[in-house]
Amino acid sequence: NAGVMQNPRHLVRRRGQEARLRCSPMKGHSHVYWYRQLPEEGLKFMVYLQKENIIDESGMPKERFSAEFPKEGPSILRIQQVVRGDSAAYFCASSQGSPMNTEAFFGQGTRLTVV
Amino acid sequence: GEDVEQSLFLSVREGDSSVINCTYTDSSSTYLYWYKQEPGAGLQLLTYIFSNMDMKQDQRLTVLLNKKDKHLSLRIADTQTGDSAIYFCAEIPSYQLTFGKGTKLSVIP
Repeated sequence: NAGVMQNPRHLVRRRGQEARLRCSPMKGHSHVYWYRQLPEEGLKFMVYLQKENIIDESGMPKERFSAEFPKEGPSILRIQQVVRGDSAAYFCASSQGSPMNTEAFFGQGTRLTVV
Repeated sequence: GEDVEQSLFLSVREGDSSVINCTYTDSSSTYLYWYKQEPGAGLQLLTYIFSNMDMKQDQRLTVLLNKKDKHLSLRIADTQTGDSAIYFCAEIPSYQLTFGKGTKLSVIP
């Protein structure tokens, strides 16, 4: 059973381009979370999704950011018109059930650099 | 202020014990967690403690929880160079983990 798989591991985008980050949860996991880690900071919650539903996106910027977790395929975090301040490590985690009762497993992250 | 606070750096000699401290704010958290992040890697769950426990021991790791003071600590016995990493304390008041900024542990050979 592979762990949480994120790709790409590193992504470089020019200002104004779009960034697409992918996350394949562990097999059997239907809960997905995205976190952002700015340099020298802890992880900050962005969004919590279950299959085809956004449960909580309170941590996501209102503009340019969107996330989805379709019935088939990986979860996608999409950042439109990237700016330098979007440079960060983006981590995905998945869990089998409610995060209050089950462990969330983290992927290795996608490191986005905006130049 | 931050919901979860940790000191940013800790340096210890190989073989000594390391104690990493954390304070949190939300007393409704069911679990409190310690994660380890090695350079360029994701987060690895090290251990967790249920909120109705005072102490949990797992091999070289000891977690102490003081609910009254909202203080959590992680003790690593016989610290090795492989323990060098950033350690994050996290609480989970609802379904989103709230992390501290992390404590960078440096182990001196």
